Amino acid sequence: QVQLVQSGADVKKPGASMKVSCRASGYNFIDYYIHWVRQSPGQGLEWMGWINPHSGGTNFAPKFQGRVTMTRDTSISTAYIELSSLRSDDAAVYYCARSKLRIAVSNLPFFDYWGQGTPVTVSS
Amino acid sequence: DIQMTQSPSTLSASVGDRVTITCRASQNIVTWLAWYQQKPGKAPRLLVYKASFLERGAPSRFSGSGSGTEFTLTISSLQPEDFATYYCQQYNSYPYTFGQGTNLAIK
Repeated sequence: QVQLVQSGADVKKPGASMKVSCRASGYNFIDYYIHWVRQSPGQGLEWMGWINPHSGGTNFAPKFQGRVTMTRDTSISTAYIELSSLRSDDAAVYYCARSKLRIAVSNLPFFDYWGQGTPVTVSS
Repeated sequence: DIQMTQSPSTLSASVGDRVTITCRASQNIVTWLAWYQQKPGKAPRLLVYKASFLERGAPSRFSGSGSGTEFTLTISSLQPEDFATYYCQQYNSYPYTFGQGTNLAIK
């Protein structure tokens, strides 16, 4: 069965960087886009961007441009998100999610499988 | 960015009730809309995509409708496991945006 398993909770200081991993199993990792969505009490659900695991190509929401990096390691079917220059309002649960449709079909970004979420706290 | 506004923000209902949640988009999004259900401490779960297509495995009591700027999610007969928060999401235009959520609570 399809599973996305994320790394554990993290605590960071303001100005630091965070990195969250998302390991996929149960399907061919390179066939589906991986998106990152975060959820905070103040902002609700926010789409952050996607990575094409096949090509490594990425696209980010304008709000996060310049601060976010998305990478993947196809040898271990894992996607990563890094967010730099952390602020208090970056405290959130970060989710990876898989696009329902295969890359070869479309990049319509709605999501049929989600990771369990990674809480990130930003505090001095 | 396209703003997605859900109403109501909170809805109290009883088992067996028929309930409808509305989602309005600030611009025409055709039918590029998804609905998700989220329970506390869990990731969202896809229920409906392309405004009215039921996701495989989602109960048939859920249905979606609408086009353009106004959309609805209807639950025909509430079950105990349906009490959760529901979100709409537009995927017509980048950046993709979500509604603020509707908390469906037991009356």
